[in-house]
Amino acid sequence: AQSVTQLDSQVPVFEEAPVELRCNYSSSVSVYLFWYVQYPNQGLQLLLKYLSGSTLVESINGFEAEFNKSQTSFHLRKPSVHISDTAEYFCAVSEIGDKIIFGKGTRLHILP
Amino acid sequence: GAGVSQSPSNKVTEKGKDVELRCDPISGHTALYWYRQRLGQGLEFLIYFQGNSAPDKSGLPSDRFSAERTGESVSTLTIQRTQQEDSAVYLCASSITGPQYFGPGTRLLVL
Repeated sequence: AQSVTQLDSQVPVFEEAPVELRCNYSSSVSVYLFWYVQYPNQGLQLLLKYLSGSTLVESINGFEAEFNKSQTSFHLRKPSVHISDTAEYFCAVSEIGDKIIFGKGTRLHILP
Repeated sequence: GAGVSQSPSNKVTEKGKDVELRCDPISGHTALYWYRQRLGQGLEFLIYFQGNSAPDKSGLPSDRFSAERTGESVSTLTIQRTQQEDSAVYLCASSITGPQYFGPGTRLLVL
């Protein structure tokens, strides 16, 4: 069965600095991969997804994630963070046709 | 189109009472999920419905929790004899293939 590991529970970053939120998964078959974001006091929103094709996927607000099959990773990156990026970020994986499993989340703190 | 809706949005109950939470998925979505999110915590998977297959109940924390789904539409999550540790936001999500779409959640407080 698949599983997801988000190694960092909290990541503090200065505003305008780059950030990487790490996500590793385990699965023996092909997977779909997702990042969700939860802003303070709001619901979960899909940030970006990898289903097939290009291993580099991008969101509309400057985040990107790269599917690395050999390292079973799907790290989330942004070259320059803004205070509005303060949120909790969840990585998720599903084996095709099976349920989606979420990581425990990484809380991104943007420091002024 | 309409997204996933959940009701009630907030529920306050007394310890020992039963509660029923409702989820209306996006029309046509064959998969439906229930999660629990305690304050400041991540998502805890509860149960997964996929079409007419037997539900995956592996995440239900105790036999006080149960869920039903009528075909590919509405689902209800029932918690019997509520305990204070059941206080959380209960999230429902639906999907067809690929990503899930989440409802706003039901915030449950057990006094």
